[in-house]
Amino acid sequence: DARVTQTPRHKVTEMGQEVTMRCQPILGHNTVFWYRQTMMQGLELLAYFRNRAPLDDSGMPKDRFSAEMPDATLATLKIQPSEPRDSAVYFCASGFQPGTGYTFGSGTRLTVV
Amino acid sequence: GNSVTQMEGPVTLSEEAFLTINCTYTATGYPSLFWYVQYPGEGLQLLLKATKADDKGSNKGFEATYRKETTSFHLEKGSVQVSDSAVYFCALSDVRESNFGNEKLTFGTGTRLTIIP
Repeated sequence: DARVTQTPRHKVTEMGQEVTMRCQPILGHNTVFWYRQTMMQGLELLAYFRNRAPLDDSGMPKDRFSAEMPDATLATLKIQPSEPRDSAVYFCASGFQPGTGYTFGSGTRLTVV
Repeated sequence: GNSVTQMEGPVTLSEEAFLTINCTYTATGYPSLFWYVQYPGEGLQLLLKATKADDKGSNKGFEATYRKETTSFHLEKGSVQVSDSAVYFCALSDVRESNFGNEKLTFGTGTRLTIIP
């Protein structure tokens, strides 16, 4: 089965450090999403891309977060500087056609101490 | 804007019991509706979907029917198993071409289901 691959699976970092999370979408999928999951807020959309172009990043704190797709096989989410409140599980998802659902990766569990 | 409201959890049932998890939605367009399941320590998996009114999605014994008149998409299963213990998310995406860019998934808050033997 094709899958969305996220790295790293777990990341513990100190406050103020830069964190980069990576996602390899399923080959041929042209839409990529970044979601954040916390107990308090549930699933929040941070950003998404279609054909590598950002369509909506309104859910992302612009001063510290950035999301890019350098090429069709890689999406990145960067936090600089990281803060304890950024501790969460970050999911990447990809898809091709609206209405068919999207495939999620296993997530990156980030802990900022 | 679009929103999804689902049944508060947690829900605890005995094995072989009947399951219903309620989900209602608000959407300005013509949404597709989804149920996702998340097992402990894993990402979300698509469980079933329905793309238009009166469609029934089904998978692994779970079913949900897209009811436009009541704006609902309730998840049901006739006989649950311990292995069904997970968190279930109802979601929608608006796929109108005229609303380009609105196909992002809007999720409910999730319902934690625990099945006891």
